[in-house]
Amino acid sequence: GDSVTQMEGPVTLSEEAFLTINCTYTATGYPSLFWYVQYPGEGLQLLLKATKADDKGSNKGFEATYRKETTSFHLEKGSVQVSDSAVYFCALTLTNDYKLSFGAGTTVTVRA
Amino acid sequence: GAGVSQSPRYKVAKRGQDVALRCDPISGHVSLFWYQQALGQGPEFLTYFQNEAQLDKSGLPSDRFFAERPEGSVSTLKIQRTQQEDSAVYLCASHNRRQKGLEETQYFGPGTRLLVL
Repeated sequence: GDSVTQMEGPVTLSEEAFLTINCTYTATGYPSLFWYVQYPGEGLQLLLKATKADDKGSNKGFEATYRKETTSFHLEKGSVQVSDSAVYFCALTLTNDYKLSFGAGTTVTVRA
Repeated sequence: GAGVSQSPRYKVAKRGQDVALRCDPISGHVSLFWYQQALGQGPEFLTYFQNEAQLDKSGLPSDRFFAERPEGSVSTLKIQRTQQEDSAVYLCASHNRRQKGLEETQYFGPGTRLLVL
């Protein structure tokens, strides 16, 4: 079935460090790919998305590129802040579908 | 409202008790989703409404789970005869496209954390 596998956490970083969270997917069709973020005590929020191969999604300094050849959508940020501490979820939805399929989430803690 | 709201935020139930979880989607959003998020896992799809019509309930784990959206706005997820394995966070999401749209964002509520003892 269609699924997402993401890097296990937790990840602990110092402020201004480089962050990468790996995400790979398995899909029968051509999915759209998403990164959602869940800050403590808040609901899931869309961080960025990409709908076709080679698209790059970006927001709040985060970037992810849809790589069809490696079926990946890795999340990166060049310089993290304490406020980036959250749980990050990679997700997909298929063409003509509506359900989101999520990875297990990666907890990121940034220390000052 | 400004966002998706859910109530209660926390619910403790004794095994065998019935519970009802409420979701108020963003005003005007046609589509509404319920997801179940077990501890340490990502959300899993439960069911989907378009207005008052429940178009997909393939993710409901058993016939003890029932969802409704009678007037096409507020939705209730009901769990009958709760079991310990029902303990999870139940998330509601909405979006404003009538059709299955890749471009539209699902907006999530804060969730209801259910603990069955």
